[in-house]
Amino acid sequence: DAKTTQPPSMDCAEGRAANLPCNHSTISGNEYVYWYRQIHSQGPQYIIHGLKNNETNEMASLIITEDRKSSTLILPHATLRDTAVYYCIVRVNSSYDKVIFGPGTSLSVIP
Amino acid sequence: DADVTQTPRNRITKTGKRIMLECSQTKGHDRMYWYRQDPGLGLRLIYYSFDVKDINKGEISDGYSVSRQAQAKFSLSLESAIPNQTALYFCATAGTGSHEQYFGPGTRLTVT
Repeated sequence: DAKTTQPPSMDCAEGRAANLPCNHSTISGNEYVYWYRQIHSQGPQYIIHGLKNNETNEMASLIITEDRKSSTLILPHATLRDTAVYYCIVRVNSSYDKVIFGPGTSLSVIP
Repeated sequence: DADVTQTPRNRITKTGKRIMLECSQTKGHDRMYWYRQDPGLGLRLIYYSFDVKDINKGEISDGYSVSRQAQAKFSLSLESAIPNQTALYFCATAGTGSHEQYFGPGTRLTVT
């Protein structure tokens, strides 16, 4: 599985968009980009995933660059409850689909 | 009721003791996983199972063993607990081919 690089921490004002970057320059053609988040000591929660195209769901949007070497998770209107550690993961969704988590980005939403 | 449950939620034990952490799920998923998390670090995979007869080691399986008693149950054992196994332990499940893993609430284990 390709490695990812994320900033260790970020701040965002409440109500503003939070843009969380992720670099995955060694991504392979069959690897997906996944985002999970973990609110303090709770179990991680799946947010969104994508392969090539940008994706949007009720929680967030995922923007993947054309060369697929980086992506951005967008929380359109951050709330205090979005304060969490956000993990960007790149992997093949195959039978051997264990998820490898890195240290992630700690997002603080500020009132 | 929660889809993925873990028991106990908190446990303090002494060095050398045997301890079992249990995970149950009601999602009907074939795949189950055990992770540990240490302060400031991401999750690391201990063991995973793709069905009742399939058990695989993860990144950090030394000092741990697992048992998949049924599709819905996956237990993690520490045969002889040591202090550096103090951590937060998470169980997760996934359906075959699914993109999403569902995590339990975690077990906080302290080995003194």
